[in-house]
Amino acid sequence: DQQVKQNSPSLSVQEGRISILNCDYTNSMFDYFLWYKKYPAEGPTFLISISSIKDKNEDGRFTVFLNKSAKHLSLHIVPSQPGDSAVYFCAASGVNTGTASKLTFGTGTRLQVTL
Amino acid sequence: NAGVTQTPKFQVLKTGQSMTLQCAQDMNHEYMSWYRQDPGMGLRLIHYSVGAGITDQGEVPNGYNVSRSTTEDFPLRLLSAAPSQTSVYFCASSPRGYYEQYFGPGTRLTVT
Repeated sequence: DQQVKQNSPSLSVQEGRISILNCDYTNSMFDYFLWYKKYPAEGPTFLISISSIKDKNEDGRFTVFLNKSAKHLSLHIVPSQPGDSAVYFCAASGVNTGTASKLTFGTGTRLQVTL
Repeated sequence: NAGVTQTPKFQVLKTGQSMTLQCAQDMNHEYMSWYRQDPGMGLRLIHYSVGAGITDQGEVPNGYNVSRSTTEDFPLRLLSAAPSQTSVYFCASSPRGYYEQYFGPGTRLTVT
């Protein structure tokens, strides 16, 4: 039972355009959401996060939107750059899932930014 | 700071062999976790620890043991390797109360 779903395995975007990566969750106890970026042969690196008390969080070119009623979040990258080409994982956690150290990950979306 | 380090980077085992994957962090983080990454499955939590002497099971704990005798180290032991344990293993750490976890570079394990 996949509690965090990323239904698009891959996405291709032209350099300079907007990349939108989507994530859905089913567990209503999740109250904190994170995006990680992963390059081949490296560990995931934290990108941006959002608490359930917010509906938007922005950090430079990266913005995460949260729609609690739809149990949906999205990551917007504007403008997209070739160095953004990586696999992006959505993750979720919450105090009520036991401890903050338990992250539930989606299956990832491979983003390719083309010239 | 070296951050989170993992050894070895690569390992090939035969079915039934045992081994320990090492993980260390030098950031004085209380929380440490082990995940495995498989194609199409994302990262799944194996075991985690909220401090020295305290460990608990994650989503896929069977076939793995952990212990946490110091804040810095969190080794993962495979008792009797099986081909289903072929995967990439990531160790992560975070300070108390923080959701953001710092990941190591991973260990790619193949069991034949």
